[in-house]
Amino acid sequence: QKEVEQNSGPLSVPEGAIASLNCTYSDRVSQSFFWYRQYSGKSPELIMSIYSNGDKEDGRFTAQLNKASQYVSLLIRDSQPSDSATYLCAVMVGSARQLTFGSGTQLTVLP
Amino acid sequence: DTGVSQNPRHKITKRGQNVTFRCDPISEHNRLYWYRQTLGQGPEFLTYFQNEAQLEKSRLLSDRFSAERPKGSFSTLEIQRTEQGDSAMYLCAGTGSGSTDTQYFGPGTRLTVL
Repeated sequence: QKEVEQNSGPLSVPEGAIASLNCTYSDRVSQSFFWYRQYSGKSPELIMSIYSNGDKEDGRFTAQLNKASQYVSLLIRDSQPSDSATYLCAVMVGSARQLTFGSGTQLTVLP
Repeated sequence: DTGVSQNPRHKITKRGQNVTFRCDPISEHNRLYWYRQTLGQGPEFLTYFQNEAQLEKSRLLSDRFSAERPKGSFSTLEIQRTEQGDSAMYLCAGTGSGSTDTQYFGPGTRLTVL
């Protein structure tokens, strides 16, 4: 079992819809979780961090964390074509506090 | 722009050659990470520095790989005797000293080994 798993997609949603991205992780002691967006050929760009159970909202983005279920999700409201990218879920692990990433979910927002 | 720079942005080399990449984080980044990302995968951790000390290395970091961070500022990653399997994007990320500090990535160096 991979440490961080994401639906690989691709996921397509129409412009203006809600895109829902999901991630599960295996390390129960993990405390810090991140969503990064990565455009093709570019490096990962931070969207959200979340550390506590519940929801965290930032503009059109909402991250949700459920540590009991070892589940973290990202909702993108009013999706725009510019949101089309690969979304990476990352979990901070280990004494070095390095990030373990999922394989990413490719999102396409159709105009 | 995260303020983290990497050079070169692209490197094409022949199998067996040595290559060196450089990462310049911002001055507040006392922690620095190297990751490698292959097509269709998320980045994978390679190594970690706190200031000038290399404190952790992944088992992915074979003995052909070496990293340094002299004086706790910029860092270099060298690959000796490159192999085609080394072709990837090499990413550097910097962060501060807090336990939950976010890692900010540089633009990466794309290595192609022919």
